[in-house]
Amino acid sequence: QKEVEQDPGPLSVPEGAIVSLNCTYSNSAFQYFMWYRQYSRKGPELLMYTYSSGNKEDGRFTAQVDKSSKYISLFIRDSQPSDSATYLCAARGGQNFVFGPGTRLSVLP
Amino acid sequence: EAQVTQNPRYLITVTGKKLTVTCSQNMNHEYMSWYRQDPGLGLRQIYYSMNVEVTDKGDVPEGYKVSRKEKRNFPLILESPSPNQTSLYFCASRAGTGAYEQYFGPGTRLTVT
Repeated sequence: QKEVEQDPGPLSVPEGAIVSLNCTYSNSAFQYFMWYRQYSRKGPELLMYTYSSGNKEDGRFTAQVDKSSKYISLFIRDSQPSDSATYLCAARGGQNFVFGPGTRLSVLP
Repeated sequence: EAQVTQNPRYLITVTGKKLTVTCSQNMNHEYMSWYRQDPGLGLRQIYYSMNVEVTDKGDVPEGYKVSRKEKRNFPLILESPSPNQTSLYFCASRAGTGAYEQYFGPGTRLTVT
């Protein structure tokens, strides 16, 4: 079993839709949780991070962590074609980051 | 501009021919890593370095070497590349062991035939 699991998609939505991206993890020691966005032929870039359980909002993006169910979510409101990318969830325990395989999202105009 | 650079961006080579992928960061970061990214497997850490002359294995170190002689540079060496090392490679850096934000380079696409 991988430590961080993520549905690879692809996921296609119309512009303006609310997008929900999800991951599950297995290691209870993970304390920091992150979402990275990766455009085609680019390196990942940090989108949001949360510490332990709870919600964090940044503009159209909301990150949510439920440690009791080991579930990580990213919500994108009013999705735009520029949001089309691969979204990677990541968790950190100790020094190492563990990444999910990524979900490819396409937002259609 | 704060950045991580990698060279080359694309490389096609043959089995057994030694190669080096360079990585450099201009943010004075202590911590640097190498990852490989494969479809369905995500990013997997190959090696990391917590500071100059301090390196350690990640999850998939077999067939790779690294060195950290200067703070800004962290080259990845494949002494005898094999086809199963065909992948997309990323170098990353972060300020220190406590930092959560990693900065990634643009990637190096390696094909070993």
